[in-house]
Amino acid sequence: DGGITQSPKYLFRKEGQNVTLSCEQNLNHDAMYWYRQDPGQGLRLIYYSQIVNDFQKGDIAEGYSVSREKKESFPLTVTSAQKNPTAFYLCASSMRDGGTEAFFGQGTRLTVV
Amino acid sequence: EDQVTQSPEALRLQEGESSSLNCSYTVSGLRGLFWYRQDPGKGPEFLFTLYSAGEEKEKERLKATLTKKESFLHITAPKPEDSATYLCAVRGTGGGNKLTFGTGTQLKVEL
Repeated sequence: DGGITQSPKYLFRKEGQNVTLSCEQNLNHDAMYWYRQDPGQGLRLIYYSQIVNDFQKGDIAEGYSVSREKKESFPLTVTSAQKNPTAFYLCASSMRDGGTEAFFGQGTRLTVV
Repeated sequence: EDQVTQSPEALRLQEGESSSLNCSYTVSGLRGLFWYRQDPGKGPEFLFTLYSAGEEKEKERLKATLTKKESFLHITAPKPEDSATYLCAVRGTGGGNKLTFGTGTQLKVEL
């Protein structure tokens, strides 16, 4: 089945540690996105990539980093510089055509203790 | 900068009681307006894409409409299984390929 796979579903980390969230898609989409969702704030864009080896900062990129070495994969690293990393993280992908919809993974809930 | 405002924040309906959710937007050149449904703890599920004013799309009890400034998601005779958060998003010509989301409307349908 085609889709987007995020792993793990739940992740616990100690404060000060970096952590990497995985996102893989087999939809042959060029564009991929990372969003953060907090209660009452909706989805906020962290980073997006329209093509392999290229990515742009979104609205809240500070404390995060990404890579796009393969079309299918867009991992997100939450660094120790992120002041409030506990959140629900969502990965999405779409065709590069701006009129097409994005499809989402099932999310990773990160809790930093 | 693209902006999306959804109202109401929360809506409680009785089963069979039809209503509408609103999505107001400002965007530099609309490339698409998107509606999603999100269940608790899950990723958003795509519902509709609308491209131009006057366009309408339907799926089961849901109907989405679009004007130059807002979109409505009409829910006809809702059932408890329609309970979810409904998200609206836009993609404009000025922001690369990124989607801008509203904060959503949390819908609860009761028996």
